[in-house]
Amino acid sequence: EVQLVESGGGLAQPGVSLRLSCAASGFSFSSYGMSWVRQAPGKGLEWVSGITGSGGNTYYADSVEGRFTISRDNSRNTLYLQMNSLRAEDTAVYYCARAQAEVGRNWFDPWGQGTLVTVSS
Amino acid sequence: EIVMTQSPATLSVSPGERATLSCRASQGVRSFLAWYQQKPGQAPRLLIYGPSTRATGIPGRFSGSGSGTEFTLTISSVQSEDFAVYYCQQYSVWPLTFGGGTTVEIK
Repeated sequence: EVQLVESGGGLAQPGVSLRLSCAASGFSFSSYGMSWVRQAPGKGLEWVSGITGSGGNTYYADSVEGRFTISRDNSRNTLYLQMNSLRAEDTAVYYCARAQAEVGRNWFDPWGQGTLVTVSS
Repeated sequence: EIVMTQSPATLSVSPGERATLSCRASQGVRSFLAWYQQKPGQAPRLLIYGPSTRATGIPGRFSGSGSGTEFTLTISSVQSEDFAVYYCQQYSVWPLTFGGGTTVEIK
C-alpha cells in the first residue's frame, strides 16, 4: 500500500524555524517527484514547493521562496520541508503529495493526512 | 503564475441531479488539468486528470472535459457522498496552481 505520513508540525512563534518530514512507503520513492501543498484554516489549497525524484530540481511558490527549502533523502524514503522565518500567514495544514512522474510537474496521488503548523506568539 | 478560477463558489443540488463545475485558466494549460475532491477533515482525493481520465476507483458518474483555458467537471447524478469541495489544479507549468474551490452542497 502506498502511504505518506507527515510529521513535525506544531506551534511555533513568528520568526522561528520548523522542519516537516514526510515518510513514504509502498513505492519506489526516488522514481517520483514530490510536493508540499498547504491549506490555511477554512481556505483552499495552495501549492508550496516541489522536487524531482532525484532531488536535482526544486520549485517554490513566490509566497515561500527564500524562506522554505524542500529536500529529500531517497535512502530514507523521506521528504522534508525546512521552514524558516515563519509568519502568521504560514499557519496551515501541510500535506505532502506524490506526483506521477520523476519530473514532479504532475497531478498528485496519493496525499498524506497532513500536519498542522500554527504560527503564533 | 497561472491563475485558476472556479465557478460557482457554491453549487446547491438535490441528490440525483446533475452538477456542472467550471474551471478557467488565465492562460492555456493544454490538457494538464486535474480535479480533486475534499471532504471535511480529510486530505484531497484525486478524481480526474488529463483532463478526462478518471483515477482508480472513481465512479463513472464523474467526468471531466475541456482543454486550453476552459474545463468542466460533471457529476451526472449527485449522490449523498458527493457533497464536498472540489478543486482544479493545473500542472502545465511551475508554479503549480489550484483553483479556489467549488462547494457542492445539499439543496
